[in-house]
Amino acid sequence: AQSVTQLGSHVSVSEGALVLLRCNYSSSVPPYLFWYVQYPNQGLQLLLKYTSAATLVKGINGFEAEFKKSETSFHLTKPSAHMSDAAEYFCAVSRGGGADGLTFGKGTHLIIQP
Amino acid sequence: ETGVTQSPTHLIKTRGQQVTLRCSSQSGHNTVSWYQQALGQGPQFIFQYYREEENGRGNFPPRFSGLQFPNYSSELNVNALELDDSALYLCASSLGGRNTEAFFGQGTRLTVV
Repeated sequence: AQSVTQLGSHVSVSEGALVLLRCNYSSSVPPYLFWYVQYPNQGLQLLLKYTSAATLVKGINGFEAEFKKSETSFHLTKPSAHMSDAAEYFCAVSRGGGADGLTFGKGTHLIIQP
Repeated sequence: ETGVTQSPTHLIKTRGQQVTLRCSSQSGHNTVSWYQQALGQGPQFIFQYYREEENGRGNFPPRFSGLQFPNYSSELNVNALELDDSALYLCASSLGGRNTEAFFGQGTRLTVV
């Protein structure tokens, strides 16, 4: 079965600082990995996805993530945090097999300090 | 191109009652998935429908059931509501396939009292 672990339920960074949100996965099949963002009282929006084409994936709003098979990781980064980045971030892995759908981590709440 | 829309946005039900939540998928999408997001948690996969057939299910009891219609819209039905069913219910539509993007609606906030 596929699973995702997000390290750190809350991460606080200063505006302009590097953002690093950690995600480790477990998958019995080659994984498809996703990062989603959720703003208060809203649904989820896709930031980026890894589908085996390239290990460094660039997404929207300046975010990127690197797939490292040896570390089973897919950490999300952004060089310079902006106040508008404050939100909940979820890492997810495709469930695989004949059924689609995603298995999500518990989420990381990103706080941006002015 | 219209996005994924869910209705209602909020509702309150009494324990033991039944509820139906609705989802209109994004234009052209034939796959709909439903997720339950408890407060402070990540979404949990309930089930998925592809061309009107359920083709995947998470760890949810049979009192959670669904339908998908020929226009690919979908319903989630929950019978015998329990207090723990209180959550944000999210619908997502996609073209199907493990690597395709799922587009999420804004969710229905269900409160069971």
